[in-house]
Amino acid sequence: GESVGLHLPTLSVQEGDNSIINCAYSNSASDYFIWYKQESGKGPQFIIDIRSNMDKRQGQRVTVLLNKTVKHLSLQIAATQPGDSAVYFCAENPPIQGAQKLVFGQGTRLTINP
Amino acid sequence: DGGITQSPKYLFRKEGQNVTLSCEQNLNHDAMYWYRQDPGQGLRLIYYSQIVNDFQKGDIAEGYSVSREKKESFPLTVTSAQKNPTAFYLCASARGARAGELFFGEGSRLTVL
Repeated sequence: GESVGLHLPTLSVQEGDNSIINCAYSNSASDYFIWYKQESGKGPQFIIDIRSNMDKRQGQRVTVLLNKTVKHLSLQIAATQPGDSAVYFCAENPPIQGAQKLVFGQGTRLTINP
Repeated sequence: DGGITQSPKYLFRKEGQNVTLSCEQNLNHDAMYWYRQDPGQGLRLIYYSQIVNDFQKGDIAEGYSVSREKKESFPLTVTSAQKNPTAFYLCASARGARAGELFFGEGSRLTVL
């Protein structure tokens, strides 16, 4: 979910459990979406992407679901590991003419408990 | 290895000073971007460039300037006009307009004393 101000939404799960991180995007015309993982003090790393003509895409241990009706994106991480602890951002790509300008969500902090 | 290199990783500045953050990429990407990240917040676009010698303002360009004289390089200057410059700055690149994912550097943390 989204929140205002300096307090990131947080999610804590036990190691080995599955986690679901949710994101509400703003532009119904956005045609491309990405999930990034950001570890403390580092740049975001690409996890998985999905185009608007799909509603599900799977990677290794990760699945992205897209619900265009309610402008909702989710990232499912299976069998979580300690290294999955990070902040996760969704990003949407509005169809701006001639440019690619990703719009990022506020992020969700995922903590994997041993 | 191909990638994006930002420098310096940490930078301290006195109020009233301009500072320039370096961003170099050897991915042969056409498009480059600068984002700002504040604690507990997402990334906000400062400037972007789709091609050499051309760049456009993003959502929070005031107090910043850029140049794109070479394909590989997109330096960001944080000027004294930027009211609250302390932040984490991220440079990114992409193959071209609407080409898909952005590749990010490791970031530069600027602190104004």
